Order: sequence, then C-alpha cells, then structure tokens
Amino acid sequence: QIQLVQSGPELKKPGESVKISCKASGYTFTDYAMHWVKQAPGKGLKWMGWINTYTGKPTYADDFKGRFVFSLEASASTANLQISNLKNEDTATYFCARGAVAYWGQGTLVTVSS
Amino acid sequence: DIQMTQSPSSMSASLGDRVTITCQASQDIGNNLIWFQQKPGKSPRRMIYYATNLANGVPSRFSGSRSGSDYSLTIISLESEDMADYHCLQYKQYPLTFGSGTKLEIK
Repeated sequence: QIQLVQSGPELKKPGESVKISCKASGYTFTDYAMHWVKQAPGKGLKWMGWINTYTGKPTYADDFKGRFVFSLEASASTANLQISNLKNEDTATYFCARGAVAYWGQGTLVTVSS
Repeated sequence: DIQMTQSPSSMSASLGDRVTITCQASQDIGNNLIWFQQKPGKSPRRMIYYATNLANGVPSRFSGSRSGSDYSLTIISLESEDMADYHCLQYKQYPLTFGSGTKLEIK
C-alpha cells in the first residue's frame, strides 16, 4: 500500500538547521510530485511548495523562499525538507503529501526553542 | 493568490444533525477543490475531491457541492467520529491555498 513515512520530531535552537525526510513506498516515486505543508500549533494548513520528483525542480511559495530547500534522494524514494537559520515561528508540524494530496506523511514536529 | 474564505471557524452540533461548512473562492477555481478532515495529532484525510467526488472509503453521509464560487461540505447526519477540523484546498493554480479551517464539535 502507498505510504509516506516521515522522520521523527526535532528540537532545535534558533539559528540551527533541520532536515526532515519523507520516504515513499508502494508506488513509483518519480510518477508523482511531492508537496510540503506547514501547520503551526493550533493553526491551519499552509502550502509551502512542491518538488517535481522526476526532474528535481522545486517550487516555493513566497513565504518559503530563502531558508527552505526541497531536495530528493530519488534512488531511496525520499523527499527532504531542509530549513536553515531556524526561527521560533518555524515551530510547526511539517507534512509531505503526494501529488493530488491524497496521501500524506504522518507529520514531523519541529520545535525551535532556546 | 486565490483566497479561500472558510466559514464558520468553529461550530457545535448534535448527533444526527445536518452540518454544512463553506469555502468561498476569490477567483474562479472551477471544481478544483478538495475537502480534508483532520483529527487531533493526525494527518489530513482527503474526503472530497474535484468539489463533489467522494474519496475512497469516505462514508456516504459526506457530500460536496458547488454554487458559483461557493463550495460546501455537508454531513447529512452527524456522527461522533466526525468531530474534527475540516479544511478546504484550491488546486486550480499555484500557490495552492487552504481555507482557514473549521473546528467541528459535538454538543
């Protein structure tokens, strides 16, 4: 069956970096885009952008340009989200979701605190 | 960017009630709208796609409809397991945009 399994929770300090992984299984990884979605505590969902899993080309929503990087390890059917220079407002659960957003990872909680 | 105005932000209803949640699109999105259900600590679950199509495994008490730029999710007879947050998402154009969410509680 189709699964997206994300890496575990992270506790980071302001200014540090974090890398979240999303490992896909049950389908051909390069057949579907991968989206990333942010959910701050108690808040709604915010689309961060997507990566073309065939070409590796990322597209970022305006609020996520600069410190956010989408990447792939296609041989491992894995999409990654790296956030650099972490800020308190980056504290959130981050989800990966397969193109057409029918399948989601379980979410990765990133907590940024000094 | 396309704005999705979702209402209400929260509501309380009794078991067996008919419940309707609405999203209004600021621009034409056709039928390119998805409704999600999200329970605490869980990932969103796709309930309705292309505005009116029931996703696999979703109970038939859920339905989606469209009237112009207004999109609705209706639960015809509320059950306790329906207590959750509900979100709409437009995928007509980038950036994809979500509604602000509706918290549905059971009285």
